[in-house]
Amino acid sequence: GIQVEQSPPDLILQEGANSTLRCNFSDSVNNLQWFHQNPWGQLINLFYIPSGTKQNGRLSATTVATERYSLLYISSSQTTDSGVYFCAVRSGGTSYGKLTFGQGTILTVHP
Amino acid sequence: NAGVMQNPRHLVRRRGQEARLRCSPVKGHSHVYWYRQLPEEGLKFMVYLQKENIIDESGMPKERFSAEFPKEGPSILRIQQVVRGDSAAYFCASSAGTASGNTIYFGEGSWLTVV
Repeated sequence: GIQVEQSPPDLILQEGANSTLRCNFSDSVNNLQWFHQNPWGQLINLFYIPSGTKQNGRLSATTVATERYSLLYISSSQTTDSGVYFCAVRSGGTSYGKLTFGQGTILTVHP
Repeated sequence: NAGVMQNPRHLVRRRGQEARLRCSPVKGHSHVYWYRQLPEEGLKFMVYLQKENIIDESGMPKERFSAEFPKEGPSILRIQQVVRGDSAAYFCASSAGTASGNTIYFGEGSWLTVV
């Protein structure tokens, strides 16, 4: 099956700093989503982005499908950004909704 | 999280008991998915259901686990004779369809602890 690797595994920032999280995948995809799991365990959908670039406030994401990677940018980080960020993909030939998740990037933002 | 409702949020069961987790998808969504997150791990797909049908159960353990999505009412994930290794967060998700562009929305999860 498709492999999803996220980097870095851990990231510690001071409030106000910017960061880039990366997601590499091993096959072509027709669905890619970024999620934030907050410290209470809630899973929040950030972007549906199988290709192209999207922005939502301080967050933006870019997926270069031909090169099999996606980037999540967080600008002016805040303590509420802490948590785990997951990239999840679906490759062709798998049933819809069968997402493969990466292991996540644990982000800690200090005040 | 676009309205996927799960309950209970937290459930404690003794070994050997049954656990039932419920999921109401976003209004109008007919496709439901269940995922499991073991401690310190990412989410793993378990099963995909459409009203009254199991479409893909390739991620479901072969024994003790079952899922349904009846014509009326929520989707249910049932775990019989729970063991300590079943302790995990169980997430339900839904989508409106399966065409490209349909975002999959996740609920807030149900945390099962087996003691």
